[in-house]
Amino acid sequence: AQKVTQAQTEISVVEKEDVTLDCVYETRDTTYYLFWYKQPPSGELVFLIRRNSFDEQNEISGRYSWNFQKSTSSFNFTITASQVVDSAVYFCALKNTGGFKTIFGAGTRLFVKA
Amino acid sequence: DTEVTQTPKHLVMGMTNKKSLKCEQHMGHRAMYWYKQKAKKPPELMFVYSYEKLSINESVPSRFSPECPNSSLLNLHLHALQPEDSALYLCASSQGGAGSNQPQHFGDGTRLSIL
Repeated sequence: AQKVTQAQTEISVVEKEDVTLDCVYETRDTTYYLFWYKQPPSGELVFLIRRNSFDEQNEISGRYSWNFQKSTSSFNFTITASQVVDSAVYFCALKNTGGFKTIFGAGTRLFVKA
Repeated sequence: DTEVTQTPKHLVMGMTNKKSLKCEQHMGHRAMYWYKQKAKKPPELMFVYSYEKLSINESVPSRFSPECPNSSLLNLHLHALQPEDSALYLCASSQGGAGSNQPQHFGDGTRLSIL
């Protein structure tokens, strides 16, 4: 069975704080892809990153960084020096290679206060 | 602006009405998806089209009828909806067929209210 768990329902931080959003996944497949999406209040989900199961190299993109640890089945997302514009719901998602369905976590709502 | 265009952005309809939601993309993507999203919940997959063929129907009630006239267009026909069908309906597309591992590109959604 496939499952994505985002245990943090809501996180509230003050601007310029660093914040980490946790994601833990379950799958029996050996090859799979992990994604993070951002959903601002406007509604559309915006793709942030894709990582395949063979690539455990961490990635940094500006203030965003991702830590993939296969040993703990985790794919955590850190925002450094958060900004008000980072306020959104963030979804972690899993897709098995060749599968047609993407499994979304419940999402973490991030509030960044000025 | 998103590259997946959904119309209308808002729709209010009665339970006896018939309406359609439209979705369009011109990125050459060959997989298209309909999701339903209730407040404070993740998107819930409804239908997947891959190369214009319906590949997944997640046991969606027949009052929702999808249609994929060509590789750029996806419709969702609505008839005799219930109040619990009120939600944000999101369309998405991805490069290649649905079995590829490309990320999905989402539209802004249609906020549907059933009276």
